[in-house]
Amino acid sequence: DQQVKQNSPSLSVQEGRISILNCDYTNSMFDYFLWYKKYPAEGPTFLISISSIKDKNEDGRFTVFLNKSAKHLSLHIVPSQPGDSAVYFCAASVTVSGSARQLTFGSGTQLTVLP
Amino acid sequence: DVKVTQSSRYLVKRTGEKVFLECVQDMDHENMFWYRQDPGLGLRLIYFSYDVKMKEKGDIPEGYSVSREKKERFSLILESASTNQTSMYLCASIEGGGAYEQYFGPGTRLTVT
Repeated sequence: DQQVKQNSPSLSVQEGRISILNCDYTNSMFDYFLWYKKYPAEGPTFLISISSIKDKNEDGRFTVFLNKSAKHLSLHIVPSQPGDSAVYFCAASVTVSGSARQLTFGSGTQLTVLP
Repeated sequence: DVKVTQSSRYLVKRTGEKVFLECVQDMDHENMFWYRQDPGLGLRLIYFSYDVKMKEKGDIPEGYSVSREKKERFSLILESASTNQTSMYLCASIEGGGAYEQYFGPGTRLTVT
């Protein structure tokens, strides 16, 4: 049973337009959310995050929105650039032991930005 | 910068072989993780470790074991490799104390024939 879902396996947008990637979760214990970006043959790299006590976090062209009541978050990229083409993973964090935390990942969305 | 390294980028092994995947981090992180990434399934947690000589099963531990003899090194062991273990294997580490962001290695693409 997937606790973190990314229902769109792929997304294509034109350069300069907005990219919106979506993520849904089911576990109410998740209290922190992260987005990772992954290029082929490389490990995922951290992009942006948000605490469950906030509804928006912005970092340059990247903004993450959290709707806690709907258990939904989204990543907005504006403007989109060809270099943004990658797989984007949504991840949710929970404390599992003392202060140790664990991430649960979604299945990923392949973003293609067309020049 | 945190650096997580993995012993091999590409590995080809035969069915039934014992396979060792090594991961080393240089930031004195307490917690280390092994994932596998498969198309359409995302990253799935195999095993993790919160301290030296400690290990915990993740979501898909069957067919795998781990070893953590030193803080900086976390090894994933496939006791008898099978074709369904062909995958991308990713190691990650994170500070203790409630930190959120995991740092990933470059991955090992393992093919079992």
